[in-house]
Amino acid sequence: GAGVSQSPSNKVTEKGKDVELRCDPISGHTALYWYRQSLGQGLEFLIYFQGNSAPDKSGLPSDRFSAERTGGSVSTLTIQRTQQEDSAVYLCASSVLAGGPYEQYFGPGTRLTVT
Amino acid sequence: AQKVTQAQTEISVVEKEDVTLDCVYETRDTTYYLFWYKQPPSGELVFLIRRNSFDEQNEISGRYSWNFQKSTSSFNFTITASQVVDSAVYFCALSGTQGGSEKLVFGKGTKLTVNP
Repeated sequence: GAGVSQSPSNKVTEKGKDVELRCDPISGHTALYWYRQSLGQGLEFLIYFQGNSAPDKSGLPSDRFSAERTGGSVSTLTIQRTQQEDSAVYLCASSVLAGGPYEQYFGPGTRLTVT
Repeated sequence: AQKVTQAQTEISVVEKEDVTLDCVYETRDTTYYLFWYKQPPSGELVFLIRRNSFDEQNEISGRYSWNFQKSTSSFNFTITASQVVDSAVYFCALSGTQGGSEKLVFGKGTKLTVNP
């Protein structure tokens, strides 16, 4: 079946602009995660959704970052007033259900470049 | 706090050599899970294995094997008879069961290069 998909695959934006990153999890997966991968910081957790609620937002680096999930499926990560330090690959993952943890399946990522 | 350490930043071997990737973890949870992921040059993280803290049996899958030792808080990964296609960055990760979060805490990764 289809894996996790993310769009866009690449995004170049000017400092100060807002961006939206989209994640389509594997159908039927109730848990969804956002991570960020950068050279300096490695792979960092951002936020975890169980259904449409986010019991763990502890990894969001500032209040410029927000995320939502609707219909227990698609999720959007929004970064407002982007800064150069936001440049990274943003990865989305999903797992079959909460209460595990179960293996997480990752999407190809969105490479964000803030100029 | 949970922490994963992969002390080997880069390893280079010649094809057919065996190679072991080290992973040491720290956690206060009594129940936890350990994972290995592979990130080939194409970039997408690929799940390899998940083990829970109550199962210390070693596991073998083809040329891959994993050695889990709670006494040393280690979960090492061995590739036997390495191949060029094994070249990738390998990440060890930890997930606890406390606090309602199932986030993965990753090590910094080990870049493996297998030369022909």
